[in-house]
Amino acid sequence: DQQVKQNSPSLSVQEGRISILNCDYTNSMFDYFLWYKKYPAEGPTFLISISSIKDKNEDGRFTVFLNKSAKHLSLHIVPSQPGDSAVYFCAARGGSNYKLTFGKGTLLTVNP
Amino acid sequence: EADIYQTPRYLVIGTGKKITLECSQTMGHDKMYWYQQDPGMELHLIHYSYGVNSTEKGDLSSESTVSRIRTEHFPLTLESARPSHTSQYLCASSEALLGYTFGSGTRLTVV
Repeated sequence: DQQVKQNSPSLSVQEGRISILNCDYTNSMFDYFLWYKKYPAEGPTFLISISSIKDKNEDGRFTVFLNKSAKHLSLHIVPSQPGDSAVYFCAARGGSNYKLTFGKGTLLTVNP
Repeated sequence: EADIYQTPRYLVIGTGKKITLECSQTMGHDKMYWYQQDPGMELHLIHYSYGVNSTEKGDLSSESTVSRIRTEHFPLTLESARPSHTSQYLCASSEALLGYTFGSGTRLTVV
């Protein structure tokens, strides 16, 4: 039973436009959410996170939005760059549990 | 420069062989994790450790074993490799409630 769902396996956008990656979760105990970026043959690297007490967190071109009532979060990348092309994983953690639960990832392709 | 190291990066090995995947971190993190990932799939937690001499099985059943004799070292062992063990293995560490730092992973192929 997937607790973190990324329903879009892939997304293609033009350079300079906005990329929106979505993530849904089912476990109401999750209180901290993270986005990771992964290139082929490399480990995931941390991008941005958000606590459940917030609804938005921004870091440069990356913004994460959290809608707790809908159990939905999204990652916005503006403007998108070809170097952003990678797989993006949504992850969630609950309470004092240090374990992260990951989604299946979304492959983002930014076309020049 | 990476603070968490995994070796080897790639390994092709025959069925029945014993293998150890190495993972070391220089950040002094107490918590370390092993994830397994197949292409297009989520990362599955197979083992974790919250400190020296502490190891637990993760959410995904795995035939591998781990040990944590030193804070910085968290190796994963497969006693008898099988083709079903072919996958990418990712090691990570974390401090308190912060996110994980991942290694570069080991791509294992069992033939």
